[in-house]
Amino acid sequence: SQQGEEDPQALSIQEGENATMNCSYKTSINNLQWYRQNSGRGLVHLILIRSNEREKHSGRLRVTLDTSKKSSSLLITASRAADTASYFCAKETSGSRLTFGEGTQLTVNP
Amino acid sequence: NAGVTQTPKFQVLKTGQSMTLQCAQDMNHEYMSWYRQDPGMGLRLIHYSVGAGITDQGEVPNGYNVSRSTTEDFPLRLLSAAPSQTSVYFCASSYSMSSGSSYEQYFGPGTRLTVT
Repeated sequence: SQQGEEDPQALSIQEGENATMNCSYKTSINNLQWYRQNSGRGLVHLILIRSNEREKHSGRLRVTLDTSKKSSSLLITASRAADTASYFCAKETSGSRLTFGEGTQLTVNP
Repeated sequence: NAGVTQTPKFQVLKTGQSMTLQCAQDMNHEYMSWYRQDPGMGLRLIHYSVGAGITDQGEVPNGYNVSRSTTEDFPLRLLSAAPSQTSVYFCASSYSMSSGSSYEQYFGPGTRLTVT
């Protein structure tokens, strides 16, 4: 089964607005990673947050992790049309595996 | 650095045929993995390797074989193609992937496989 479930499945916003995507998971994790996938391309790593961290920033990206609620969120501030992509969270499970969710399709309208 | 390369980019097979998807990385990464992505879905792990000579099964290994004779290469073999294996296949590599010591994965551009 798919761990790391994203919500919403699809999100459409205007340029300049903020976009928030959420990820939930079922079992304990060592870390959680967020990836972006442009249409027809491979995935690109955005941020890795470890289980003992609560928040990380990278440019316009902010990731939070709440291990008590087994959830993470990705915030993109001041979105641009170029941010249009699918965003996936991936949970590091034991045994050297990453388990991906089904992704959130973000559309940023100019 | 070329990063992670995959060949071919597109492939059409008939049911029952076999083929090998190639994956290579030039970053001296120990960890390599293969995923498949079906429409509207996330990635599912097929097989992975934590180093040369070591491979293990992922979530959906049936119908696929792998080997890791060198650090650089991690080919994926389809033994007898079936329509259910129509998908986009991604290879990825990472410096390390172990509990408490994991790093980002670098993905190849993907191979789009159709089985008729």
